Amino acid sequence: SQTIHQWPATLVQPVGSPLSLECTVEGTSNPNLYWYRQAAGRGLQLLFYSVGIGQISSEVPQNLSASRPQDRQFILSSKKLLLSDSGFYLCAWGRGASEQYFGPGTRLTVT
Amino acid sequence: GQQVMQIPQYQHVQEGEDFTTYCNSSTTLSNIQWYKQRPGGHPVFLIQLVKSGEVKKQKRLTFQFGEAKKNSSLHITATQTTDVGTYFCAGTASYDKVIFGPGTSLSVIP
Repeated sequence: SQTIHQWPATLVQPVGSPLSLECTVEGTSNPNLYWYRQAAGRGLQLLFYSVGIGQISSEVPQNLSASRPQDRQFILSSKKLLLSDSGFYLCAWGRGASEQYFGPGTRLTVT
Repeated sequence: GQQVMQIPQYQHVQEGEDFTTYCNSSTTLSNIQWYKQRPGGHPVFLIQLVKSGEVKKQKRLTFQFGEAKKNSSLHITATQTTDVGTYFCAGTASYDKVIFGPGTSLSVIP
């Protein structure tokens, strides 16, 4: 069966510090991978999605970037965090544009 | 661009009452999915509807896809406290992208 991992579960970072969040998927190959951000009590904002290694589509221009160095690895990064980057970051995998399966998420607080 | 809307934004019901949330897309969808997110948790996939007019049931939950494939609904019969959470619909128009609605937050009063 497929499993999706995200770490860390929670993170507190100062403004201006770098960020690296990692997501890995097990039990499937060539998945579509997605990064979402969710502000408290709000909906899901699609940040990036990838249909293959090295292929990244950005949905929202901001100070975040994503990379997919391996088939089942998706990384979200920032060189300098802003206060507005605080939120719940969710990684998901799927096949085509169909159902998605989410990881447990990372709660990021930028102070 | 494609938009997916949901109403209501919030719903408070007494335990045992029914609940319905509605989802509307600005464009025709190839499929629609429903997800549930418990407080503090992550969204969990519930079901996908593909055919025009399709109706699917999962125990007390009934999902419908409109004839024009632009709207959908989720109905919960006799809500329980375990139904608490936010329900998201998500629609697919293009091959690789799923657009999520803003969600309906359900509170159940025991």
